[in-house]
Amino acid sequence: GAVVSQHPSRVICKSGTSVKIECRSLDFQATTMFWYRQFPKQSLMLMATSNEGSKATYEQGVEKDKFLINHASLTLSTLTVTSAHPEDSSFYICSATTSGAEAYNEQFFGPGTRLTVL
Amino acid sequence: GDSVTQMEGPVTLSEEAFLTINCTYTATGYPSLFWYVQYPGEGLQLLLKATKADDKGSNKGFEATYRKETTSFHLEKGSVQVSDSAVYFCALSGQGGSEKLVFGKGTKLTVNP
Repeated sequence: GAVVSQHPSRVICKSGTSVKIECRSLDFQATTMFWYRQFPKQSLMLMATSNEGSKATYEQGVEKDKFLINHASLTLSTLTVTSAHPEDSSFYICSATTSGAEAYNEQFFGPGTRLTVL
Repeated sequence: GDSVTQMEGPVTLSEEAFLTINCTYTATGYPSLFWYVQYPGEGLQLLLKATKADDKGSNKGFEATYRKETTSFHLEKGSVQVSDSAVYFCALSGQGGSEKLVFGKGTKLTVNP
């Protein structure tokens, strides 16, 4: 159980276009989803936190108008990279968690999406 | 702000060798500490965790002890297998049950038969 999928796994696009990445929780309801970005040989950096039905909370330095996050249902969140440029090329990872009584709610991670902007 | 530093990789070992991957952290208060593993082509999976000082997390033969005096959470395994080949990430979440995770850079482990 607790499987999270991402689609697509890889995408190549031209500079100036927009790209949408989907994150789905397959067998549980995700009250909170997280989007991370990972550069080669670097840590996963949290970009934003989204709760179903409300606006995402972005980390400092992340442009909310460039990285649009929608969490319209308890099983789906999308990240849209608008007007992508080569510097947006990266590995994007989502995770999902569900509410519970424990102080820490385990995050379940998707396999990631490799974005290459030409 | 909070940060995690883990040993640079890659690490290459022979099967049945002893494994240590060092992890130290900087955080205010009393964070929870985690080790995640990422097998090729898969998402990160929680390997083990510890939520307070002197706790020992363990799973699949891996262990790590939360050492507040040295701000460390080193990952160890007594005898690695080829199937342990993966990338290992040390992480922390803040005091108070915050769900935000701060990750180290990851250490790639390759175990040869």
